[in-house]
Amino acid sequence: KAGVTQTPRYLIKTRGQQVTLSCSPISGHRSVSWYQQTPGQGLQFLFEYFSETQRNKGNFPGRFSGRQFSNSRSEMNVSTLELGDSALYLCASSSTPRTGGGTDTQYFGPGTRLTVL
Amino acid sequence: KNEVEQSPQNLTAQEGEFITINCSYSVGISALHWLQQHPGGGIVSLFMLSSGKKKHGRLIATINIQEKHSSLHITASHPRDSAVYICAVFPGTYKYIFGTGTRLKVLA
Repeated sequence: KAGVTQTPRYLIKTRGQQVTLSCSPISGHRSVSWYQQTPGQGLQFLFEYFSETQRNKGNFPGRFSGRQFSNSRSEMNVSTLELGDSALYLCASSSTPRTGGGTDTQYFGPGTRLTVL
Repeated sequence: KNEVEQSPQNLTAQEGEFITINCSYSVGISALHWLQQHPGGGIVSLFMLSSGKKKHGRLIATINIQEKHSSLHITASHPRDSAVYICAVFPGTYKYIFGTGTRLKVLA
């Protein structure tokens, strides 16, 4: 069974641009969560999608948005990039929703490293 | 004060040593998750716990819900165990809170 894949793996953008990151979950998984990891803040929850619906969103500005398609693939978009958006963006998939108390194992992708210049 | 605290922040051990990493949290939770992150950034889910104890190979995770505390033990540590270990808790609502991680280095 293929693991969680994320594209692209590395990305360099400049301030003010926008970026779209993609995540393909493990086959059969309907929950996709997105996380941001920075040296200063560590891992932080961005949002979770389950069956094309956003279940919850972390404490991030509206510039961060996402969506999930009927095949469970998910995209994350960041508009008007700021230097502080430079981070490793991780997605993870599971069979059942993570937020709300689900305890199924969550499988992480390799991440997309975004650098904003 | 962070809602999830890990100790120690950094740990260096000799190969073969028994290692314990602790995670304390201040909120009520439905489950706790131990993650391992290797230097390249990849994260592996180790354990999901809601009570008691789980074991997988040389790794053992325990949780005491009443004391709001979990431990991750590594027996017979090996240099390949060198990684950052992160605990994360689910307060049962729509949140997922991460600890700051414990950086483990096992020397040969």
